[in-house]
Amino acid sequence: GIQVEQSPPDLILQEGANSTLRCNFSDSVNNLQWFHQNPWGQLINLFYIPSGTKQNGRLSATTVATERYSLLYISSSQTTDSGVYFCAVARGNNRLAFGKGNQVVVIP
Amino acid sequence: NAGVTQTPKFQVLKTGQSMTLQCAQDMNHNSMYWYRQDPGMGLRLIYYSASEGTTDKGEVPNGYNVSRLNKREFSLRLESAAPSQTSVYFCASSEDEVAGGPSADTQYFGPGTRLTVL
Repeated sequence: GIQVEQSPPDLILQEGANSTLRCNFSDSVNNLQWFHQNPWGQLINLFYIPSGTKQNGRLSATTVATERYSLLYISSSQTTDSGVYFCAVARGNNRLAFGKGNQVVVIP
Repeated sequence: NAGVTQTPKFQVLKTGQSMTLQCAQDMNHNSMYWYRQDPGMGLRLIYYSASEGTTDKGEVPNGYNVSRLNKREFSLRLESAAPSQTSVYFCASSEDEVAGGPSADTQYFGPGTRLTVL
């Protein structure tokens, strides 16, 4: 199956700082999604982005499909951004393979 | 519009007991999924259902069975629970696996069921 690696595994940010999370995948994909799991365990879909760039408020994502990576940018981080960010990919179907996540802690 | 709901929220079982985790969605989605999340492992797909009446194995199906009761409901059954099945279980749904594209493929998750097997 497709391997998904996320880096860095853990990140501590001061409130207001910017950060970049990276997702590398081992094969071509036509489905890539970023999720945020909040400290209470709820998983929220942030982006569906198999290629190109999207922005939603302070979050943006870029996927370079030909080079098999995706980046999630968090700008002006807030304490509510704390949690785990997951990248998930699929090829030819919607059976997502998840990375192990980026644990983000934003300190006030 | 409740989205994806799961019951129960918490459950403790003894080794060998059986139970069924329930999942329902009210978004008229065609595809539904069951995942398990273990510490440091991310989420892994157990079973999925591309449409009513069809089910298929995912990455870690052993020890589980599923039923797609109708378009809204997708249940996960543990016939003889084992400590290795201690995990958090998530149900998800998406509009249409076949059509593809952002609105069709985006997956929406339920709140999860935390299961402990002693």
